Amino acid sequence: QVQLVQSGAEVKKPGAAVKVSCKVPGYTLTALSMHWVRQAPGKGLEWMGGFDPEVAKIMYAKKFQGRVTMTEDTATDTAHMELRSLTSEDTAIYYCAINKNRRGHYFDFWGQGTRVTVSS
Amino acid sequence: SYELTQPPSVSVSPGQTASITCSGDKLGFKYSSWYQQRPGQSPVLVMYQDNKRPSGIPERFSGSSSGNTATLTISGTQAMDEAAYYCQAWDSSTAVFGGGTKLTVL
Repeated sequence: QVQLVQSGAEVKKPGAAVKVSCKVPGYTLTALSMHWVRQAPGKGLEWMGGFDPEVAKIMYAKKFQGRVTMTEDTATDTAHMELRSLTSEDTAIYYCAINKNRRGHYFDFWGQGTRVTVSS
Repeated sequence: SYELTQPPSVSVSPGQTASITCSGDKLGFKYSSWYQQRPGQSPVLVMYQDNKRPSGIPERFSGSSSGNTATLTISGTQAMDEAAYYCQAWDSSTAVFGGGTKLTVL
């Protein structure tokens, strides 16, 4: 099994930004395809973006383009997802998920989730 | 944008077979994956590339895909299989999830 370890819960005010991190102990990020998926309370899964090995770059869902940045710190093998201009609609659990071998567009393993609450 | 459609709910009796469908335009020409999510837990991959089971997933889980529909089948359904199930496909460098199906084992 592969473990993904995410940063802790966050509470933010509307208009602020949040940065969530994800680490995969024992693995280097360049060997994985890292993705971010969120789930609003009582709702389904929503893909935000991630690494597409076919084009060798991070792709973003159109809904989040311009408001999200996903980065990978190769020095610490930590992935980050920053979402800006938060509104109450961004209250959700944010998951990092990986394709372990960069060989498919599915998600082998998932982090424990980071709860982000946006409230004034 | 590409869309995947799932029934909101499916009910099954213990020991019976449950089938959960996922519909999308020409879905059979793409690979489908399925995730199980129990309440309060992270999703778990239960099927990938239409019909491949990850290590540790029971043999009672199987998958198929043809035309516009992918199907996750659970044979001999157990109480522990009660969960939400999400299909997922990849289209134009974008991952797409279905809306999810709540499987109830009565």
